[in-house]
Amino acid sequence: DSGVTQTPKHLITATGQRVTLRCSPRSGDLSVYWYQQSLDQGLQFLIQYYNGEERAKGNILERFSAQQFPDLHSELNLSSLELGDSALYFCASSVGRTDPYEQYFGPGTRLTVT
Amino acid sequence: ILNVEQSPQSLHVQEGDSTNFTCSFPSSNFYALHWYRWETAKSPEALFVMTLNGDEKKKGRISATLNTKEGYSYLYIKGSQPEDSATYLCALKPYNFNKFYFGSGTKLNVKP
Repeated sequence: DSGVTQTPKHLITATGQRVTLRCSPRSGDLSVYWYQQSLDQGLQFLIQYYNGEERAKGNILERFSAQQFPDLHSELNLSSLELGDSALYFCASSVGRTDPYEQYFGPGTRLTVT
Repeated sequence: ILNVEQSPQSLHVQEGDSTNFTCSFPSSNFYALHWYRWETAKSPEALFVMTLNGDEKKKGRISATLNTKEGYSYLYIKGSQPEDSATYLCALKPYNFNKFYFGSGTKLNVKP
């Protein structure tokens, strides 16, 4: 158990809908990272927040947004969902603002868009 | 887009064999390299974060080396055990990009 929690574990929704994925980092960690793993692709970095502020941006679509709250939990919002958004979404946390800190991954949220 | 390549794609070894695999990356703009172990149906687990050329890190039977000048890192597993079966991922953090670039992984299967 990494100490990072993600909810929900599974989510099934229809195209065009909007969902929110939630992540609570390990106690003491200030950075939260979001990753996407699609069936035909490897792990893709989406976005990083540090202490409430966006720190780094990867391959995140405009239909997706994230935020980190004062209690350091983070939410990833996915809107106008398409079939291709079906994937496993991980969040990870680390203590530092930038590398080189180990990242601890949560169990993931599996999103299925039908 | 930076290309991070891992080889081989998959590896089958017998219990007790020692094995190694490679992560190759562009040597310019290097900042840090992460290694992860990812078991099926679980989440990636951090193994090492490496930053300095010539770095060598060890955790139990697993060790890693880093050559930033030529752009590669090796991961070694000594005396492989069935519980080492997993996908081993590397991820590059370049110096001037706030992003992480992942390789596609090496899938290791250790037969008892």
